[in-house]
This record gives sequence, structure tokens and C-alpha cells, in this order.
Amino acid sequence: GAVVSQHPSWVICKSGTSVKIECRSLDFQATTMFWYRQFPKQSLMLMATSNEGSKATYEQGVEKDKFLINHASLTLSTLTVTSAHPEDSSFYICSAHLGGRTGYEQYFGPGTRLTVT
Amino acid sequence: AQTVTQSQPEMSVQEAETVTLSCTYDTSESNYYLFWYKQPPSRQMILVIRQEAYKQQNATENRFSVNFQKAAKSFSLKISDSQLGDTAMYFCAFMKHLTGANNLFFGTGTRLTVIP
Repeated sequence: GAVVSQHPSWVICKSGTSVKIECRSLDFQATTMFWYRQFPKQSLMLMATSNEGSKATYEQGVEKDKFLINHASLTLSTLTVTSAHPEDSSFYICSAHLGGRTGYEQYFGPGTRLTVT
Repeated sequence: AQTVTQSQPEMSVQEAETVTLSCTYDTSESNYYLFWYKQPPSRQMILVIRQEAYKQQNATENRFSVNFQKAAKSFSLKISDSQLGDTAMYFCAFMKHLTGANNLFFGTGTRLTVIP
């Protein structure tokens, strides 16, 4: 149980276009999902916290108009990178919190590699 | 603010030997969780072990154990009988102990290579 999927696993897009990344909790309801970004050979940095039915909370320095997050259901959160640029190339990972349980019960998706050309 | 420091960017260990990965953290919180995550080449984050700060007993999971020193804000991971499959990046992480979901603060990672 407690499986989180991400789609796509790898996407290549041209500079200036937008790309959407999906994060799904497959066998549980996730009221909260977190989006992290990982640059090559670096650590994971929290970008935003996504709560079902409400606006996402962005970390300082993360452009909310560039990284649009929508958590429309208890099993799906999406991250849309708008007007992507090469510097947005990175590995994006989501984690989903098992609703109603203690804070540490969260599970990671397999990540999405974004390459902007 | 919370910070997590891993001072060993890379480490290696012979198969079947024991290795210890270091982690220190800084926080003003009195109650929190600490974690070690493994990130193999697939990049899927895998929980290795978790420690609740209010527990004095060190957590263990099979070949993995921690040395949690709360006063020193130190949280090291010991891997016994190292296996080739242990080769991965290891991240130390901190989480506040608050109601509801809380995010993780990660260290910079230690790349561990197990040598056959």
C-alpha cells in the first residue's frame, strides 16, 4: 500500500512552453502533497505545499505564477511549469501525506525529470 | 529555521563491512522527527529509518541503526554488513512534530559506494 505515482517520469520541452506534472496517491487519500525540486547532485528543496481544495503555499523564492500547483482532489496534485526555461531543468519529486495520520507518514513519488531545451 | 548538515559528500565501504554516515542538525524545536532516506540510481526516495526526538532509545531497522544524540544535535546512521544494494545517496532529514502534514528539511547528502 501507500503508493505514489508521478507522470510523466521524463519530459523534454522547448523553452517557452508549459509542462504539467501529475502526482497521484494510488491507494490512499492525500490531503496534503509536497513538491520538491532536486538539482543534479544536490539535495531536495521544498518548493510548495499543496492542500486539497485550497491554494498552495509556496516557499520563499519560488515564483507561484511560474510554478502553478493545483490540488483538485484527494488523490491528485499537479505542478505546471509555465513558460519553461533551461534553468527550470531539474528533477521534481512529490510526496503525499497519508491523511488523518501522523505527520511523518508520507510517501514519495518516483520523480519527474524535466529537460528544457 | 532548521538546518541539516552532512559533512561527508562521499564515502565508500567494503562489502560486509560497517560504515557510519554523519548528520548534525540545528533547530529550536523541542519535538521533532529525524530520518535517513536512501536515493538509489532510480532516484526513488526510500525511507531507511525514523527517530522520534522524544525517544531516547536509538531506532534500528535490521542492518541499519542510528546514534541519536539530542543534546549534541547529532544523528548518525550505521550500516552493518554492507551490501552492494546499499550503494546510493543517503539523505538525513528533519521534520517538525506538528499536527497534520509537515515537510522535510534535507541535508546535502552522502554518496555511499559499497565496494565488492
